Amino acid sequence: DTAVSQTPKYLVTQMGNDKSIKCEQNLGHDTMYWYKQDSKKFLKIMFSYNNKELIINETVPNRFSPKSPDKAHLNLHINSLELGDSAVYFCASSQRLAGGSTFLNEQYFGPGTRLTVT
Amino acid sequence: GQSLEQPSEVTAVEGAIVQINCTYQTSGFYGLSWYQQHDGGAPTFLSYNALDGLEETGRFSSFLSRSDSYGYLLLQELQMKDSASYFCAAPGINNAGNMLTFGGGTRLMVKP
Repeated sequence: DTAVSQTPKYLVTQMGNDKSIKCEQNLGHDTMYWYKQDSKKFLKIMFSYNNKELIINETVPNRFSPKSPDKAHLNLHINSLELGDSAVYFCASSQRLAGGSTFLNEQYFGPGTRLTVT
Repeated sequence: GQSLEQPSEVTAVEGAIVQINCTYQTSGFYGLSWYQQHDGGAPTFLSYNALDGLEETGRFSSFLSRSDSYGYLLLQELQMKDSASYFCAAPGINNAGNMLTFGGGTRLMVKP
C-alpha cells in the first residue's frame, strides 16, 4: 500500500539512450511532480502536472518529457541521455486545496530512482 | 525567482536543541515548509508556516518572520535518528503549479 511508487529503483544506461521512469500514486491526489536531486543533494523541481496543466521549469532541457496516462500516473521520459543527467529522480504528489492556497498541502515523495549514465 | 539559503552542516549532541536557519528571497511569498531526508531516502514533509510565528509539532517546531524573510526549524531533545538532511522550501512565482523551490539543505549530525 505504498503511497507513491517509482520504478525502477536503479537505472544504469549509456549516453545517447532513451529511458523512462514510471511513477504511480494511490493517494487520489490531483497534482504530480518530478524532481531531480544531484550529487550535492540539491533538489530541483522539473515539472508540475495535473489534469489541466503542465508547468515546466524553464531550466529543464526538452529531452525530458512527462507523460500522464491517467491521474494516478506520471512517467518521465528522457531522450538522448547525457552524463550530466546522472542523479536521483523523485516523483511526488499533492492535493490542491479547494478555494485556498495551493501551498498549504504537503507533497508526498516516492522512493526515488537513481539514474547513472555511463 | 526564488532563492533560499541554509547552512550546509550542523552538528549537535543527543538530547540537545538545534536550530536550522533559512533565509529567502522570493518574488512573491506564500509560506515556508520544511522537509527531512535521511540518506538514501525520500524527502518527507515536516511542517509549514504561512503566517508569522511558531508552529509546534512534537519535538519539532518551525518559525517564520516574513518581515525578516527568515525562518527556522527547531529540533528539541535530539535523537540519533534525527541525523538527516533538512530542507526549507517555498513555492514559486504566483504559486504556479505549487512548484517548490528548495534550499540547499542542512546536513544534521547528531552525536552521542
